[in-house]
Amino acid sequence: GESVGLHLPTLSVQEGDNSIINCAYSNSASDYFIWYKQESGKGPQFIIDIRSNMDKRQGQRVTVLLNKTVKHLSLQIAATQPGDSAVYFCAANQAGTALIFGKGTTLSVSS
Amino acid sequence: EPEVTQTPSHQVTQMGQEVILRCVPISNHLYFYWYRQILGQKVEFLVSFYNNEISEKSEIFDDQFSVERPDGSNFTLKIRSTKLEDSAMYFCASSEGLSSNQPQHFGDGTRLSIL
Repeated sequence: GESVGLHLPTLSVQEGDNSIINCAYSNSASDYFIWYKQESGKGPQFIIDIRSNMDKRQGQRVTVLLNKTVKHLSLQIAATQPGDSAVYFCAANQAGTALIFGKGTTLSVSS
Repeated sequence: EPEVTQTPSHQVTQMGQEVILRCVPISNHLYFYWYRQILGQKVEFLVSFYNNEISEKSEIFDDQFSVERPDGSNFTLKIRSTKLEDSAMYFCASSEGLSSNQPQHFGDGTRLSIL
């Protein structure tokens, strides 16, 4: 089955820096990947997704990179702001099956 | 922006009792899900629901659990004979369309505390 893991449980950055959160997955058949942000007391909030036929996708201040060769996924946040402080989860699935979540990375942004 | 809403936000129940957690998915969404998150751990899939039937369920989703869409807007998770280890955050999610790869949008969860 699929397993998804975050590389670092915590990441501390200064306001204005770029943040990179990394994730690895095990199932080479996974074809859909998604990043969520979870603030305290809230549910996971959709940030950005990417399908396996793409290597990169950009949103507003966020970029997701997918390296299928090494089964690695990353989320880049440009000009990190205090409001970006949260727990970030990556998740993956195959052909519409259940999303498998990794353990979160807690991003702390200091001003 | 449309959102998934869940009630109650916090449910406290005696062990052995039954609980029903309620969700109102986003109105044009066709796929519905329940997940749980034990404190400090990752989000775990419980069940997905489409066209009025379960489409997939995890090992966690045993006979103690059931889901129902009693009307056109609500989606419920029932937990019978609750146990202490059922204490967790329970999240409902929904996604649109028939495509398998659509982002799932989550509610803010129900915190279930079993005493």
